[in-house]
Amino acid sequence: SQQGEEDPQALSIQEGENATMNCSYKTSINNLQWYRQNSGRGLVHLILIRSNEREKHSGRLRVTLDTSKKSSSLLITASRAADTASYFCATDASGSNYKLTFGKGTLLTVNP
Amino acid sequence: DAGITQSPRHKVTETGTPVTLRCHQTENHRYMYWYRQDPGHGLRLIHYSYGVKDTDKGEVSDGYSVSRSKTEDFLLTLESATSSQTSVYFCATQGNYGYTFGSGTRLTVV
Repeated sequence: SQQGEEDPQALSIQEGENATMNCSYKTSINNLQWYRQNSGRGLVHLILIRSNEREKHSGRLRVTLDTSKKSSSLLITASRAADTASYFCATDASGSNYKLTFGKGTLLTVNP
Repeated sequence: DAGITQSPRHKVTETGTPVTLRCHQTENHRYMYWYRQDPGHGLRLIHYSYGVKDTDKGEVSDGYSVSRSKTEDFLLTLESATSSQTSVYFCATQGNYGYTFGSGTRLTVV
């Protein structure tokens, strides 16, 4: 079963614009993670936010977590063509023994 | 994908044949995972391992078995391949801050 669900499924923006992707999940979590996947490649870990954190930054990435709404958002600022990829949220549910459950992803296209 | 190697990268096999995919890590990570990725389904967990000879099922384990005889190696076996097992298979390990993924194995069952 999908724990995390990303929204939108696809997003197309111009270089320099900001991109926001959302993730909703169903059960209590230890942490939530975001991954990027370039076409034909494996997933790359971007950022982890723990259940007791509300916001985290890493370079041009900003992640928020609202455990009361069971939702998270990933903001990429000043996007570049190289940011074109699929982005997945993944939840480490409480009691899951470190198993991550992934959403179906958001396909981000950044046009030059 | 430093530290994790999947082999083979591509394989075409016939229905009914057994297939083994290999994942090798040099990170000395305790936890290892096998996922499959299909359009419209995202990544789904097949099996995982929490130590040598310690494995457990994920959400789509039917038709698959795994073995882990050494920390470095985690094998996924399709006991009798079916067309529904055509997919891209990813191995991952649990590090300090998240998963590290291999480059994937694209398996086609004809």
